Amino acid sequence: DAKTTQPPSMDCAEGRAANLPCNHSTISGNEYVYWYRQIHSQGPQYIIHGLKNNETNEMASLIITEDRKSSTLILPHATLRDTAVYYCIVRVVEYGNKLVFGAGTILRVKS
Amino acid sequence: DAGITQSPRHKVTETGTPVTLRCHQTENHRYMYWYRQDPGHGLRLIHYSYGVKDTDKGEVSDGYSVSRSKTEDFLLTLESATSSQTSVYFCAISRQEIRGELFFGEGSRLTVL
Repeated sequence: DAKTTQPPSMDCAEGRAANLPCNHSTISGNEYVYWYRQIHSQGPQYIIHGLKNNETNEMASLIITEDRKSSTLILPHATLRDTAVYYCIVRVVEYGNKLVFGAGTILRVKS
Repeated sequence: DAGITQSPRHKVTETGTPVTLRCHQTENHRYMYWYRQDPGHGLRLIHYSYGVKDTDKGEVSDGYSVSRSKTEDFLLTLESATSSQTSVYFCAISRQEIRGELFFGEGSRLTVL
């Protein structure tokens, strides 16, 4: 399994960009990077995913380095409602669609 | 929001009793999953299904069984509940295997005394 490493916690000021890093140095060429978040006591929520190109949707942007060994999730204008645990996941292809969740990063957005 | 309903949302039971959690979807998605979440362990996959009557084990399947007789329902059964199975259980669904985009339910909190 490709492992991911994320900082345990981060703080961000409301209205500022939140940049959440993820290291996945053992990622294989056909493995995607996924980001999910979990707001307290709710089910995880899909944010974005990518293979090697940068991706953007209405929630966030995903920047993947050229060597694919790390990535950054960017929330362009963080709000208090973005306070959550953010999970960076590398899809384990041999298990089909199963996703393995790590400990994630607790993002605290402060006013 | 994806049409996923978990029931019951909260349950307290005693050691040794059978428990069944139900996940119901209205999306007609092929793939369904059961995860459990515990402090210090994060989310861990229990079982998953890739179609009616097609299921397979996840990383923490011991003590659990599942059934999927209809596309819309995925049942998780604890034949004889133990205190170690006290947890929050999340069901998830996915339409396409390749995309890997899972939609999660709101969770079922189970306490085994």
